[in-house]
Amino acid sequence: DIVMTQSPDSLAVSLGEKATINCKSSQIVLCNSNSKSSLSWYQQKPGQPPKLLVYWVSTRESGVPDRFSGSGSGTDFTLTISSPQAEDVAVYYCQQYCSPPYTFGQGTKLEIK
Amino acid sequence: EVQLVESGGDLVQPGGSLRLSCAASGLTVSPYWMAWVRQAPGKGLEWVATVNQDGSATYYVDSVKGRFTISRNGAQNSLYLQMNSLRVEDTAVYYCARQNHSFDHWGQGTLVTVSS
Repeated sequence: DIVMTQSPDSLAVSLGEKATINCKSSQIVLCNSNSKSSLSWYQQKPGQPPKLLVYWVSTRESGVPDRFSGSGSGTDFTLTISSPQAEDVAVYYCQQYCSPPYTFGQGTKLEIK
Repeated sequence: EVQLVESGGDLVQPGGSLRLSCAASGLTVSPYWMAWVRQAPGKGLEWVATVNQDGSATYYVDSVKGRFTISRNGAQNSLYLQMNSLRVEDTAVYYCARQNHSFDHWGQGTLVTVSS
């Protein structure tokens, strides 16, 4: 199974201060003919289901603000929130959808100072 | 409105069975794989099972293999999860999701509690 490990477990930033969340996969997750890693990021606010933010490492889902960006390759990936807003307080998860079991990272809790 | 709506969650004793349903409205799901993902109280997300477009292929996390069965009814735009031999550790909110490579649409979830 592919293990997804996120860091840090929690992160507190000031409004407007860049937030960076890291995700490392135990194997490469390049398994599609489009030559893109099968890596997505989700945001989950309290009491709500997860929401897809980014897929194929760096493609933003429709309607997601451009302050959210994904990057990375190989086994190392990053979600960056360029200028976090109060509404971005949530838990963020990375996930590989290369092959089952489709594993998630343990989550990173973002707080605003 | 585009939505996935789960139902069927309940309190059940260990060893019992439950069938979850997920109904899609305003959302095309028939051309896509569909999945169940669960979240134990205060914990992270765990993928449970996936079914392909016509139900001919299914995939499960090891911990539910042989106990859970995922299925779908294309005509009714519905997804199901039959859960047998339930264990205390199966307690979670169960979400259905459309699997378009990543999981791009999620329901609100239904709570399954396994306890004596």
